[in-house]
Amino acid sequence: GAGVSQSPSNKVTEKGKDVELRCDPISGHTALYWYRQRLGQGLEFLIYFQGNSAPDKSGLPSDRFSAERTGESVSTLTIQRTQQEDSAVYLCASSRSIGSGANVLTFGAGSRLTVL
Amino acid sequence: DAKTTQPNSMESNEEEPVHLPCNHSTISGTDYIHWYRQLPSQGPEYVIHGLTSNVNNRMASLAIAEDRKSSTLILHRATLRDAAVYYCILNGAGGTSYGKLTFGQGTILTVHP
Repeated sequence: GAGVSQSPSNKVTEKGKDVELRCDPISGHTALYWYRQRLGQGLEFLIYFQGNSAPDKSGLPSDRFSAERTGESVSTLTIQRTQQEDSAVYLCASSRSIGSGANVLTFGAGSRLTVL
Repeated sequence: DAKTTQPNSMESNEEEPVHLPCNHSTISGTDYIHWYRQLPSQGPEYVIHGLTSNVNNRMASLAIAEDRKSSTLILHRATLRDAAVYYCILNGAGGTSYGKLTFGQGTILTVHP
């Protein structure tokens, strides 16, 4: 597609349930990123995938959070045993990998997660 | 990580130019200066980036100080649609994860009719 697609756009769940958020990056973009944005706050980096390299998981807040990516395509962010503090917009971005700081990220519209 | 400092908020009138400043005194030689903006209820959107020279595109201009310790995003004629949070970000420090961007609080731009 023309842009980064995320689903679902909105998810309401009960505390303790598991949720999966999906990201379809732009075709040809080898790098994929997940960020979290709590209400009224800035973006927090969660995880970064680059081709077949080991992902940079340094931003994952706890072991309840995990993410996978199949090749250079779809990624899934999974949150287990959700807590109310997990309520946020989860943003996915993708970019070409050009080996310098000139790479530009294209963001999706985000998945809004509400944990009751 | 090299950090940036921006004013919390700025205001402008429609059709006037807007100059959004950013300080990045600890910038390294390989860091590119990027600007993104986030409109209400949307994901961030790329605006412009540069390394050393001033840059222009259809959205904005980027003026980079000669010592690269500061930069200014210039919107030549603000419109109501430019009201957003503007983020100044350094990308590319130390040859590590390019694109692992660190977003600060940004500058909230309000545009008055």
